[in-house]
Amino acid sequence: DSGVTQTPKHLITATGQRVTLRCSPRSGDLSVYWYQQSLDQGLQFLIQYYNGEERAKGNILERFSAQQFPDLHSELNLSSLELGDSALYFCASSVRGGEKLFFGSGTQLSVL
Amino acid sequence: GENVEQHPSTLSVQEGDSAVIKCTYSDSASNYFPWYKQELGKGPQLIIDIRSNVGEKKDQRIAVTLNKTAKHFSLHITETQPEDSAVYFCAASMGNQGGKLIFGQGTELSVKP
Repeated sequence: DSGVTQTPKHLITATGQRVTLRCSPRSGDLSVYWYQQSLDQGLQFLIQYYNGEERAKGNILERFSAQQFPDLHSELNLSSLELGDSALYFCASSVRGGEKLFFGSGTQLSVL
Repeated sequence: GENVEQHPSTLSVQEGDSAVIKCTYSDSASNYFPWYKQELGKGPQLIIDIRSNVGEKKDQRIAVTLNKTAKHFSLHITETQPEDSAVYFCAASMGNQGGKLIFGQGTELSVKP
């Protein structure tokens, strides 16, 4: 158990809908990262937050947004969902930034 | 931006043999290189990491080597066991400067008993 908690584990929804994925980092970790994993794209970095502020942005679509709350948990919001958004979404956390990331078990999103 | 290439994409070895996975990175400013193991249905798990001021690091049957000049780093697993079967990912970042971690495409390792 990495100590990073992601909910829900599975999410099935329809095209055009909006979903929210939640992540609780390890105790003491200030940085939270979101990654998307698919068969053709591998592990793609989406966005990083450090102590509530956005630190780095990767290949995140404009339909996607995220935030980190004062209690350090984070949410990833995916809107106007398309079939191609179906993937495994991972959250990871680290003490500061860029090193020793610990990953949660992921949220499997299926868009039908 | 940073790009990480990983080879091979699949690797099959006999139990007890060694396995080597290689990665190259593009950004010479990268200074932190972790390796992750991902088992089916689980998130990636950090197994070993190395910083750019170190050429080699070993932890029991696992070792990582880094060639900064060539921008290459490799994972070596000795005395492989069936439980080593998984997908392995290399990654690179600018370490504690807050840089994002960029992953290679992964290597599916199969250890045959």
